[in-house]
Amino acid sequence: GAGVSQSPSNKVTEKGKDVELRCDPISGHTALYWYRQSLGQGLEFLIYFQGNSAPDKSGLPSDRFSAERTGGSVSTLTIQRTQQEDSAVYLCASTTMGGGSEQYFGPGTRLTVT
Amino acid sequence: AQSVTQLDSQVPVFEEAPVELRCNYSSSVSVYLFWYVQYPNQGLQLLLKYLSGSTLVKGINGFEAEFNKSQTSFHLRKPSVHISDTAEYFCAVDRGGSNYKLTFGKGTLLTVNP
Repeated sequence: GAGVSQSPSNKVTEKGKDVELRCDPISGHTALYWYRQSLGQGLEFLIYFQGNSAPDKSGLPSDRFSAERTGGSVSTLTIQRTQQEDSAVYLCASTTMGGGSEQYFGPGTRLTVT
Repeated sequence: AQSVTQLDSQVPVFEEAPVELRCNYSSSVSVYLFWYVQYPNQGLQLLLKYLSGSTLVKGINGFEAEFNKSQTSFHLRKPSVHISDTAEYFCAVDRGGSNYKLTFGKGTLLTVNP
């Protein structure tokens, strides 16, 4: 079946511009995550959606970052007024409910802010 | 709070040699433990996980890991590596089965040379 997809795969933007990154999770997965992967820094948790519950936004690095999940499926991560330090690979993952469930990752969006 | 330490950022080995990638974690509660692999330009893929029971866990591609509670470790091993095992490996912790906010280590780049 179809896995997690993300678009665009690459995005180059100028400092100060807004960007939107999209994630299509696996159908039926109720939980969706966004992570940021910077060179040599591993994966940094950004935000978590679970069903109709309020999202856990505790990992968002600043108020320039926001995310939404429409209809319990597709999610969009928005970065406003991008800065060079926002350059990274943004990964999305989805999973079913239940402790210890495998998170299925998309291929990521590589964001470069010039 | 929990943390994950991957003791080696890079591990070069020759083909058919054994390898061990080290992971230590800190947590005040019981945890679930994971190893993910990331091949170049791809998302993460689950190698194996420890939830409970036998402390020796076998995963895909001939990898295995041993949970050692007293040493708070979850080292990944393979008796004989192939060039195709060249990838970045991430250890991750899920606190007490909450199934969100996986905490990842910074990764270990395994390079298998001919």
